[in-house]
Amino acid sequence: AQTVTQSQPEMSVQEAETVTLSCTYDTSENNYYLFWYKQPPSRQMILVIRQEAYKQQNATENRFSVNFQKAAKSFSLKISDSQLGDTAMYFCAFMKHVGLTGGGNKLTFGTGTQLKVEL
Amino acid sequence: EADIYQTPRYLVIGTGKKITLECSQTMGHDKMYWYQQDPGMELHLIHYSYGVNSTEKGDLSSESTVSRIRTEHFPLTLESARPSHTSQYLCASSGFSTSGRGAQYFGPGTRLTVL
Repeated sequence: AQTVTQSQPEMSVQEAETVTLSCTYDTSENNYYLFWYKQPPSRQMILVIRQEAYKQQNATENRFSVNFQKAAKSFSLKISDSQLGDTAMYFCAFMKHVGLTGGGNKLTFGTGTQLKVEL
Repeated sequence: EADIYQTPRYLVIGTGKKITLECSQTMGHDKMYWYQQDPGMELHLIHYSYGVNSTEKGDLSSESTVSRIRTEHFPLTLESARPSHTSQYLCASSGFSTSGRGAQYFGPGTRLTVL
């Protein structure tokens, strides 16, 4: 079974600053995906960024980037130039690679980090 | 945002009532999921479906049931609601045709309160 750990329940950052959210996971799998999801207050959960474990290059999406350390089983999210709209709960999630004929893409979520961006 | 819809968004009902939470997606995804989430907490998978007429229980035991008669529709039913069922229920879907392989796309959620 996989586990995902987010050790920072709450964080705050000043607008325009950079913040890093940490995530570690435990698995015996070699092929898998990692995700960061964002859940703004009373709004829909949206995908922020994804990383395929076989890719060494860290994923980047505009102001969001990850630091993926496969050997250390670490997957942190860096948000640059933080904006007020980044205020949300951020969830790290793991999915085992099951292939085209495999079963459902089940996600295992961490407990989340509540990020508050302040003026 | 992805095209996945949930109704109702908010529901307050009395104990013992039967309820159905609706979830529909227009992306043609073969896989769909139901999660339960208490405020400020992580998501727990309660049901999932690989396709039409295929449903499985998730990691968290739930008294709810689901059906998948059509690809786009994945309703969740509680035969007799209890206060312990008070929570937020999130529906999600995924498909291999999605550009972000493996990613699930979430609906807005239904916040259920059972009095």
